[in-house]
Order: sequence, then C-alpha cells, then structure tokens
Amino acid sequence: QIHLVQSGAEVKKPGASVKVSCKASGYTFTNYGITWVRQAPGQGLEWMGWITAYNGKTNYGQSVQDRVTMTTDTATTTAHMELRSLRFDDTAVYYCARGVAGKPPYMDVWGKGTAVTVSS
Amino acid sequence: SYELTQPPSVSVSPGQTARITCSGDALPKQYAYWYQQKPGQAPVLVIYKDSERPSGIPERFSGSSSGTAVTLTISGVQAEDEADYYCQSADSSGSAWVFGGGTKLTVL
Repeated sequence: QIHLVQSGAEVKKPGASVKVSCKASGYTFTNYGITWVRQAPGQGLEWMGWITAYNGKTNYGQSVQDRVTMTTDTATTTAHMELRSLRFDDTAVYYCARGVAGKPPYMDVWGKGTAVTVSS
Repeated sequence: SYELTQPPSVSVSPGQTARITCSGDALPKQYAYWYQQKPGQAPVLVIYKDSERPSGIPERFSGSSSGTAVTLTISGVQAEDEADYYCQSADSSGSAWVFGGGTKLTVL
C-alpha cells in the first residue's frame, strides 16, 4: 500500500522557519514527484509547488516562491518542505501528495496533513 | 494570475444528479482534475485527465470537458457524497498550477 506519512504539528513565531517532512512508502519514490498544497482554516486548497523526486527539479508557486525550499532524499524516500519568514497568514494545514506526470501533473495519493500554527 | 472558477455551492436531493462546473481560459490546453474533500480529511482524487476515474472511485462519478469548462457529474447522489469538491489545472504555459475555489455539495 502507498503511504505518505507527514511530520507532526508545529507552532512557530512570526519570522521563524518551519520544515515539514513527508515519508513515502509502497512505491518507487524516484518515479514520481511530490506536490505540496496548503489549506488555511476554512479556506480552499492552495498549490505551493512540485519537486521531481529523482533529480530535485522544482516548480514553486508564486505566492511562496521567495520563501520556500522543497527537497527530496532518495535514500530515505522522504520529501521536505521548508517555509521561511513565517507570517500569521501561513497558518494552515500543509499536505504532501504524490505527483503524477501529466499536463499538468496531478496528485493521486495524499498525506494526512501537518498543521502549522504561526502565533506570537 | 490564472484562476479557475467554481460555484460556491450546489445542493441536490439523494438520488438526483449533481453537476459541478469549473471554468478557465486554459482548460482547452490543460487537463483538469477533481478532488473530493470531507471535513477534517485530506483530499481524494476522483477524476483525472478530464474524464478518467481512478480505481476505487464509484462509477457514479464522471467528468467531461467542453471548451473552457469542465464538469464533474455525480449521478444518483448519496449522502456520503456530501463534501467540498475542487478542480485543479494549470495556466496555458503549464507552469502555474491552480485549484478552483471549491464547491460545497450539500445532499438535502
């Protein structure tokens, strides 16, 4: 079975950084990408970016491109998303999802999400 | 920036057909995908490449495309289908991916 297991909830102060991890299992990690999506409380889904697992090539969303770094570790089949200079409006549930190549790529398996709260 | 437009809400009675539309200028060039999200849960892919259904998704879910709009159709709606539904696609260059604003499906 395919699983994406995300790290636990985080509480951060404004200006700090957060790093969320996503451990993949049950499939060949390097054959897919990882997409990160976030959802603020009571709001819709926001695409943050994609990373190709085998070569680390990224495509970041405009709203976070200056503050986000996505990486993969093929040895541990884990993806990471680091968001810097946190603001109150970064409070959200952050999802990783397996990315399938397409036009555009899409997400066929999702992690359960990681709640990130930015509070002073 | 590119946007996909969905109606905020759709209501149907059990057994009826629900149709949720998503419009965007680049949809003739890019596939659309549909996700179902129930409260407190992660999204689930229900339609990919405009009209394909992943394994495990009931046959009552179908998708279609016409010009700058795509439609998710749920035939014979059941109470368990009550959820938020999001379309996803990209701008014409394929580099900026977006979700629609989401449609809350209420089963009366």
